[in-house]
Amino acid sequence: DSGVTQTPKHLITATGQRVTLRCSPRSGDLSVYWYQQSLDQGLQFLIQYYNGEERAKGNILERFSAQQFPDLHSELNLSSLELGDSALYFCASSVGIGQGRETQYFGPGTRLLVL
Amino acid sequence: DQQVKQNSPSLSVQEGRISILNCDYTNSMFDYFLWYKKYPAEGPTFLISISSIKDKNEDGRFTVFLNKSAKHLSLHIVPSQPGDSAVYFCAASGGFNGGTSYGKLTFGQGTILTVHP
Repeated sequence: DSGVTQTPKHLITATGQRVTLRCSPRSGDLSVYWYQQSLDQGLQFLIQYYNGEERAKGNILERFSAQQFPDLHSELNLSSLELGDSALYFCASSVGIGQGRETQYFGPGTRLLVL
Repeated sequence: DQQVKQNSPSLSVQEGRISILNCDYTNSMFDYFLWYKKYPAEGPTFLISISSIKDKNEDGRFTVFLNKSAKHLSLHIVPSQPGDSAVYFCAASGGFNGGTSYGKLTFGQGTILTVHP
């Protein structure tokens, strides 16, 4: 158990809909990272938040957004869903801002299926 | 552009023997490398890491070797056990560009390790 929790574990929805994925980092960790794992793309970095502020952006679509709340949990919002958004979404956390040599610890993931 | 590559999609090893998983990278700015193990329907589990100032790091049965000049790292598992059967991902961080990259991890495609009893 990494200490990172994610809900829900599974999500089935229809095209055009909007969903929210939730992540709670390990106790004491200030950074939260979101990754997407699809069959053909491997694990791809989406976005990082540190202590409530956005710190780095990767291959995140404009239809996707995220935020980190004062209690440090984070939510990833996916809207106008398309079939291609079906994937595993992982959250990870680390102690600091990520500028040093920090290890990221991953949650169990949310499996999203868009029908 | 695949900056981190694991060229072997799968590896099969007998229990008790050594497993060697390989990873190559192209970005010379990477300065921290990690190996994760992943079981189906679970998140990646951190195994071991190495910073660019070292060439070897050991933790129990797991040893990671880094060859900076060749931009190559490898994970050795000795002895291999059936419970080690999983997908292994190599990841790299660093390569800061005005501080905008921060802790982003760039992953390889993974290698499926099967350890036979």
